[in-house]
Formats: sequence, C-alpha cells, structure tokens
Amino acid sequence: GAVVSQHPSWVICKSGTSVKIECRSLDFQATTMFWYRQFPKQSLMLMATSNEGSKATYEQGVEKDKFLINHASLTLSTLTVTSAHPEDSSFYICSAPRVAGYNEQFFGPGTRLTVL
Amino acid sequence: GESVGLHLPTLSVQEGDNSIINCAYSNSASDYFIWYKQESGKGPQFIIDIRSNMDKRQGQRVTVLLNKTVKHLSLQIAATQPGDSAVYFCAENRGSWGYQKVTFGTGTKLQVIP
Repeated sequence: GAVVSQHPSWVICKSGTSVKIECRSLDFQATTMFWYRQFPKQSLMLMATSNEGSKATYEQGVEKDKFLINHASLTLSTLTVTSAHPEDSSFYICSAPRVAGYNEQFFGPGTRLTVL
Repeated sequence: GESVGLHLPTLSVQEGDNSIINCAYSNSASDYFIWYKQESGKGPQFIIDIRSNMDKRQGQRVTVLLNKTVKHLSLQIAATQPGDSAVYFCAENRGSWGYQKVTFGTGTKLQVIP
C-alpha cells in the first residue's frame, strides 16, 4: 500500500524557536496533502490543505503566518511552526490521497511536538 | 454546524466477542464515510469505507452499516482481538471525486479484555 512518512517523529524545542516537519509520499506523487493537529485524547482537526506549486489553504482559525506550509515537490510537503509556544505542543499528522481526486487518504505516522 | 460524532467515548469488550462502535453525522450531504483505527502514538489507519448508495459493506472481520434515514454509521468488529485495542474514528467526506477534506468524529476507545 501507499506509504506516507513524516520526519521527525518527535521533537522538543524551546519556546520562541521554529520547527519544521516534513511529510513525504514514498511511492506515489501527491499534488495535495493535508495537515492535521491532534491534542491528547481528542480527534484530528484539519489545519490546512497543501497544494503542490501553489499556496496552501488554511482552515478557519488557523494562523497561516504561524503555520507555514511549503509543498515544493510532488512528494514533499513541509509544515513550519514559527515562534512555537507551549500551546503549540501537539501531535501533527499529514495525509495524502494516493490518486488525485480520490478520497482514500494515507496518513503519516505523526510528529509529536513538545514546546518547553 | 456540520459534525460527525460518536455516542460512546470508551468501549470495553471481552476478547472473542463482537464489538460495535457507533457514529452519528449531521450533514445530510455527506456521501462517503470512512472508519479509521488509530493506535497510540501513530497516525490513523484506514479500515473500511462506505458510500451513501450502500447500506452495508463487509471487510475482513469488519462490517460497516450506514443508515441514512437517521444519519447513523456503525462499525462492527467480529471476534475482537487484543490487537484491535485502539481509538476508532468515523470520518466524513463529501463527494467520491474531487473533494478530499475529511472531517473526523470524536473517536471511541476500544479496550479489549483478554
């Protein structure tokens, strides 16, 4: 099956620093990728839709200047949490549909971000 | 507003018994539903999906039932095993083609008692 990877799997950083999380589709090309955030014991909340070669689309309430998304190639999307604060500590998960337009999503393993 | 939610936050079942996890949705325009399994510290894993033109779909040990009249979805797991312990999410999507944003429900934690 299709594989989506994320790097790093976990990261700890100091408040005020920026953290970059990578999402890669390993055996397929993804013109669209999705970024989710999940707080403990809660559901996944969609943050933004990453579009290859164009600007990301952010969900209501998500600060685009704080969560920078770059989808520079058909296999890589990055999420940068800028000036991270403790409230940004969360589990960040990306997903991608294997076939453009189809709904079946393949999810990455997630990245645990802890901001001290 | 539009939402997909679950009735039970935690479900405990004896190993070997059948499990039923329920989900309610409020958007009548929803026409594609997915069940995901998420183990601790991992990303969601696709289990089974169903489109609105169906009311039942079966997979290996799993069955999804869709009742559009009452906007209800359920996941049945036969002969539940310890490896089934996880959080299960129902998710909603609109359109089988071209609309890929997935809305997740609140999740149900399934605990399998050995």
